[in-house]
Parts: sequence; C-alpha cells; structure tokens
Amino acid sequence: KNQVEQSPQSLIILEGKNCTLQCNYTVSPFSNLRWYKQDTGRGPVSLTIMTFSENTKSNGRYTATLDADTKQSSLHITASQLSDSASYICVVSANQGGKLIFGQGTELSVKP
Amino acid sequence: KAGVTQTPRYLIKTRGQQVTLSCSPISGHRSVSWYQQTPGQGLQFLFEYFSETQRNKGNFPGRFSGRQFSNSRSEMNVSTLELGDSALYLCASSLELAGGPGGTGELFFGEGSRLTVL
Repeated sequence: KNQVEQSPQSLIILEGKNCTLQCNYTVSPFSNLRWYKQDTGRGPVSLTIMTFSENTKSNGRYTATLDADTKQSSLHITASQLSDSASYICVVSANQGGKLIFGQGTELSVKP
Repeated sequence: KAGVTQTPRYLIKTRGQQVTLSCSPISGHRSVSWYQQTPGQGLQFLFEYFSETQRNKGNFPGRFSGRQFSNSRSEMNVSTLELGDSALYLCASSLELAGGPGGTGELFFGEGSRLTVL
C-alpha cells in the first residue's frame, strides 16, 4: 500500500534554532517527492520538488534531502524564525495511477 | 500575477444536498487538481484535470465529480452530501501535470473552500 509517514507529529523549537523533519514513504514506483508549507487557514506553498536522481535541494533556509534507496526524506530548517510556524507536508507522486500521496504533516511551532 | 482563486470561501449545507465549488487557475496553467483536507485524514487527492480531461483520480466515491472548461477553470461537485464531507477543499493549478509519469508540475494552491455539512 502506498503510504507516506511523517515524524514528529508536532515540534516546538526556540527561534534561531535548527530542526529536521522526517518523511518515510512506501510509494512505488516513485516519481518525485515534494515538501509544502501550510500556514493556518491558508493553502500549502511549495518548498521543494525532488526527482529520483536528486538527493539535495535548497530553498533559502530550507534544505530537503532524499535517499531513494531507503525511501526517506528530510527537511532541515536553519535559523528558524517565528514565521516558520506552520504545518510541513511531505507529498510523494507515484509513476503509475497519477496519484499524489500526502503525509499527515508535522506541526512546527517556533517560540520567541 | 493573480493566484488561484476559489469560490465560495465558506459554505454551509445540509445532508443530502449537493454543492459545486469553483476554481480559477493561474493564467496559462492548464492543470487543475482538487484535494480534500480534514483534521483526521489530512490532505487527500481527489482528481486532476488537464486540457479539459480528467487525467488522474484518487480514491473517492462517485459522488465526487469535477470538470474543466476550455479556459482551464474547473468546478467540482459533491452530490448527496454526508456529514463526513465537511472539510476544506483545496484547488491547485500547475503548468503541467502534477501526477503520473513525468508529472513534476509545481502546484500553486488556492485558499480553499470550507464546507460544513449539517
């Protein structure tokens, strides 16, 4: 069964600290993996898209990694800001069926 | 450049009724996809349209349907509403297909339509 699991479910960190969010997937055949940021009451915003051949991609203070062998991805946030408080969603696309499979998200709270 | 526009933003319906939601994509985008978001299930993919044709479909019953017009605007319809259909319905547009073989289209989401079924 195609699944995407994210951990932790929620996380509280202090402003200025770094953090890493995890995403494990069982989607096959794999097409690509995306990370989205969703602020409360808003639609998700794309952070990165990675295909099979890419293992690192950065977008400002956000760096995503992908290990297609172990089917794991991580999103690292450097020098966190209060505006980073949001839900971070991992999405995996399968090459067959055309479905996008979403993780449940990690709720990040950055405190001053 | 205008973003993805969804209407209405909020609506309340009763069980058994039907509802139609509208999505206007970013100008030039030909793919529109729809998603259901609930606290318990998270985000779930409903379907994706490209050039007026449904290209990909999630695991939702036939009560959920959609269509895309020649100007890429899209509508989704839910018939015979159930309490469990209460959710935030999100629409996203992309230049190319978001799902399926080679589908790497970056998704741009609207703010959503929040449906409450009483």
